[in-house]
Amino acid sequence: DAEITQSPRHKITETGRQVTLACHQTWNHNNMFWYRQDLGHGLRLIHYSYGVHDTNKGEVSDGYSVSRSNTEDLPLTLESAASSQTSVYFCASSETGGSYEQYFGPGTRLTVT
Amino acid sequence: QKEVEQDPGPLSVPEGAIVSLNCTYSNSAFQYFMWYRQYSRKGPELLMYTYSSGNKEDGRFTAQVDKSSKYISLFIRDSQPSDSATYLCAMKTSYDKVIFGPGTSLSVIP
Repeated sequence: DAEITQSPRHKITETGRQVTLACHQTWNHNNMFWYRQDLGHGLRLIHYSYGVHDTNKGEVSDGYSVSRSNTEDLPLTLESAASSQTSVYFCASSETGGSYEQYFGPGTRLTVT
Repeated sequence: QKEVEQDPGPLSVPEGAIVSLNCTYSNSAFQYFMWYRQYSRKGPELLMYTYSSGNKEDGRFTAQVDKSSKYISLFIRDSQPSDSATYLCAMKTSYDKVIFGPGTSLSVIP
């Protein structure tokens, strides 16, 4: 069965360190998204990609970067982790075009100390 | 003003109750209206979607869209403890990204 996986599921890191969160999907979807979820804010879009070598900034992109070298993967990098980036991060994918349905991964819980 | 507003709850109801969850929005260009369900420590999953206005029913769940009032609702009949989750409304135009509401936490008490 097709799926979307994230790793690690839990991560504790120190302020200032670079951190990369992995996202891998086997749906063969062109569209991939990274969100963070915080109490009171819901899901906020960090970065998204509509295909290989395409990346775009979302509403809360400062301090984050992504790269898309193949269809299956969209890693999210925190350049220099800050305590404000403590959150739960979700990766999602959807079909090409204006698809309303996104398939979410299980999430990564990141704590920055 | 946020594009999509939703009462965060928490909402606690007895088993068997009818639950009403609601969202308001400001962008009149939204055409697709979705409800996602998110269990604790899991990713959201699409529960229902409606295109444009009207009602849609799926088992115990009914989604309603009133574009004139910019208001959408999700009704759950005969609520069960397994319905305990966070419910996120979501919307999109025909050409842009999905916008999510902050979610309402629901607990159904046996």
